[in-house]
Amino acid sequence: DGGITQSPKYLFRKEGQNVTLSCEQNLNHDAMYWYRQDPGQGLRLIYYSQIVNDFQKGDIAEGYSVSREKKESFPLTVTSAQKNPTAFYLCASSMRRESTGELFFGEGSRLTVL
Amino acid sequence: EDKVVQSPLSLVVHEGDTVTLNCSYEVTNFRSLLWYKQEKKAPTFLFMLTSSGIEKKSGRLSSILDKKELFSILNITATQTGDSAVYLCAPNSGYALNFGKGTSLLVTP
Repeated sequence: DGGITQSPKYLFRKEGQNVTLSCEQNLNHDAMYWYRQDPGQGLRLIYYSQIVNDFQKGDIAEGYSVSREKKESFPLTVTSAQKNPTAFYLCASSMRRESTGELFFGEGSRLTVL
Repeated sequence: EDKVVQSPLSLVVHEGDTVTLNCSYEVTNFRSLLWYKQEKKAPTFLFMLTSSGIEKKSGRLSSILDKKELFSILNITATQTGDSAVYLCAPNSGYALNFGKGTSLLVTP
């Protein structure tokens, strides 16, 4: 079945550690996105990529990094520079580079910093 | 700066009630507006609206867009407990979706 797979679903880390969240899609979509969701908040855009080997900062990119070496993969690294990393992270993809259509979401990764 | 404001932020109704959820927006390069339902994890797509005044319907849910007033509403008639969720409004500015904070709807039996 086509879809977006995020892993791990739950992750704990100690302060000062970097952690990488995986996002893989087999929908053959051009564009991929990372959003962060905090309690009582909507989704805030961290990074997006409209084509392989290119990505752009979203509204809250500080303390995060991404890569897009393959069309199907868009991993997100939460670095130790991110001041408040505990959150729910959602990866999404859309068919075309210009997202005039629906975003398809993964099931999310919940990161807790101890 | 792009803005998306959803109201109310939370709502508790009884089964069978009708609810109206509101979304006002200010985004540059507006392309479309999408509504999503989020129950526990991944948001699921409900509607995409591109033209003013044309109602989209799916069962008991319907939505409409007013591009002049920069506003959209989502109606749910004859609510059921399974409608309990967070409803997210997301205008599309061409490169990504800008999400509002959502309306948390609780439908009680």
